[in-house]
Amino acid sequence: AIRMTQSPSSFSASTGDRVTITCRASQGISSYLAWYQQKPGKAPKLLIYAASTLQSGVPSRFSGSGSGTDFTLTISCLQSEDFATYYCQQYYSYPRTFGQGTKLEIK
Amino acid sequence: QVQLQESGPGLVKPSQTLSLTCTVSGGSISSGGYYWSWIRQHPGKGLEWIGYIYYSGSTYYNPSLKSRVTISVDTSKNQFSLKLSSVTAADTAVYYCARDPLTGTTSRGWFDPWGQGTLVTVSS
Repeated sequence: AIRMTQSPSSFSASTGDRVTITCRASQGISSYLAWYQQKPGKAPKLLIYAASTLQSGVPSRFSGSGSGTDFTLTISCLQSEDFATYYCQQYYSYPRTFGQGTKLEIK
Repeated sequence: QVQLQESGPGLVKPSQTLSLTCTVSGGSISSGGYYWSWIRQHPGKGLEWIGYIYYSGSTYYNPSLKSRVTISVDTSKNQFSLKLSSVTAADTAVYYCARDPLTGTTSRGWFDPWGQGTLVTVSS
């Protein structure tokens, strides 16, 4: 199975900050990567697929980039509702696998 | 707008079989165009994909769970179900059902939407 590793595991930021989360695949996955946001007690919500395509309804302050093994999720100007845990997921091969998550907390 | 809702017992005894159902509303499983997946999340941990089913009944399971997992579909009720046998405490998790869009019969790979999730605890 392809292993997905996110960094950092957690960090603190302030509203208005620009933040970047990294996801690394254990082998090349082209652009077959999705990002999700999960808030406590809720299901994950799809933000981005195909590494950089924003899901309908997701604010434009979210963006994704990368291909091969290294990917990033950027939030350009943090809003209060963005404090959550973020997961990457590869769909290059089965079984589908997720990163361990990055928890974004308020500083 | 399609919605998914998980249901089933919240407590299962060790060595027994965990059984959950996902009811789909706002769209028909029989229309095709999607794989229907189960995903779980151990308490405070990451996400683990369990497997999927197509409306025709074809399935694919995570090799790590394959020997214990059965996913089935009931198109008349617009539901699909998960059975996980011989459970242990390690199977305690929130179980989600989710939809995976297809292009033809090829998975596009991402999951959207998800059900709200249901916590299943394995304990005597």
